Amino acid sequence: DQQVKQNSPSLSVQEGRISILNCDYTNSMFDYFLWYKKYPAEGPTFLISISSIKDKNEDGRFTVFLNKSAKHLSLHIVPSQPGDSAVYFCAASGAGNNRKLIWGLGTSLAVNP
Amino acid sequence: DAGITQSPRHKVTETGTPVTLRCHQTENHRYMYWYRQDPGHGLRLIHYSYGVKDTDKGEVSDGYSVSRSKTEDFLLTLESATSSQTSVYFCAISGTGPSFYGYTFGSGTRLTVV
Repeated sequence: DQQVKQNSPSLSVQEGRISILNCDYTNSMFDYFLWYKKYPAEGPTFLISISSIKDKNEDGRFTVFLNKSAKHLSLHIVPSQPGDSAVYFCAASGAGNNRKLIWGLGTSLAVNP
Repeated sequence: DAGITQSPRHKVTETGTPVTLRCHQTENHRYMYWYRQDPGHGLRLIHYSYGVKDTDKGEVSDGYSVSRSKTEDFLLTLESATSSQTSVYFCAISGTGPSFYGYTFGSGTRLTVV
């Protein structure tokens, strides 16, 4: 029973356009959400996060939007670059669980030149 | 990331043999985690530690044990390796305070059980 779902296993975007990666969750007790990026043969690296008290967080080309009523968050990458090609994981955490992160299965993004 | 290292990076072992993977951190972080990554399954938590000698099971702990005798080291042991344990293993660390929720991952250990 997946509490964090990334329903698109893959996404292909043209360089310079917007990439939108989506994530849905089921547990309303989650209070923190994160996005990680993973290149082949490397460990995941933290990209951006958002607290449940906010609905938007921006860091350069990356923006995460949170819609609590819909239990949905999305990561926008504008403009997309070939170096953004990677697997993106959505993760969530809530109080009282030793801060374990609950992970989605990932979305593989390909940015084509 | 220089603050966390995993060893070995690659290992091939035979079915039935014990295997120990090591995770070493220099960040003095309280929390440490062992994950495995497999196609179609994302990242699955094996075991985690919330302090020296304090460990707990994750979602796929069967066949694995861990030990943490020092803050900086977290060992993952496959008691008797099986082919289903062929995977890429990642260690992660997490501190407390403002950066608490961010995990830092090691580069991974690719384990093949033949």
